[in-house]
Amino acid sequence: DIVLTQSPDSLAASLGERATINCKSSQSILHSSNSQNYLSWYQQKPGQPPKLLMSWASIRESGIPDRFSGSGSGTDFTLTISSLQAEDVAVYYCQQYYGSPYNFGQGTNLEIK
Amino acid sequence: EVQLVESGGGVVQPGGSLRLSCGVSGFTFSIYWMHWLRQGPGKGLVWVSRIGPDGKSTAYADSVNGRFTISRDNAENTLSLQLSSLTAEDTAVYYCVRGGIALAETFSVWGQGTLVTVSS
Repeated sequence: DIVLTQSPDSLAASLGERATINCKSSQSILHSSNSQNYLSWYQQKPGQPPKLLMSWASIRESGIPDRFSGSGSGTDFTLTISSLQAEDVAVYYCQQYYGSPYNFGQGTNLEIK
Repeated sequence: EVQLVESGGGVVQPGGSLRLSCGVSGFTFSIYWMHWLRQGPGKGLVWVSRIGPDGKSTAYADSVNGRFTISRDNAENTLSLQLSSLTAEDTAVYYCVRGGIALAETFSVWGQGTLVTVSS
């Protein structure tokens, strides 16, 4: 099974600051046939289902603000929020869809300092 | 509008069974891979099961294999999950989730979830 490890587990940043969340995979999730990384990022607010932010490691979903960006390839990935807003307080998860079981990282709790 | 609406959750005794349903609308259900995921209280997200567009290809997490059965009715636009031999570790919010038209695509649409509590 592919294991995803996120860091840090929790993060506190000031409004307007940059916030960075890392996700490391136990094996490469870059598919050689299409050079795509099979990784997504989700945002989950209390009492709500997760919301897809990013797929293919760096492709923002429709309606997601451009302060959110994804990067990385192979085994190391990053979600960056360029200028933190109050509404960004949430838990963030990375997830691989390279193969079953489609595991998630343990989550990163993002708060405002 | 794309919608996934789960139902069937509730309180069940250890060893009991439950059937979850997910009604979908706003998209062509019969061409999408569908999944069930769960989230225990205060815990992270766990993939449970998937089913192919024609219902013939299924897969399960090791933790539920042999106890849970996923199925779909494309005529009724409904996804189901039969839960049996339940234990306290199965207590969670269960989410119905739309995958892609191809197997290896992300989880693009989530329902609101239905809570299953296993307790005596």
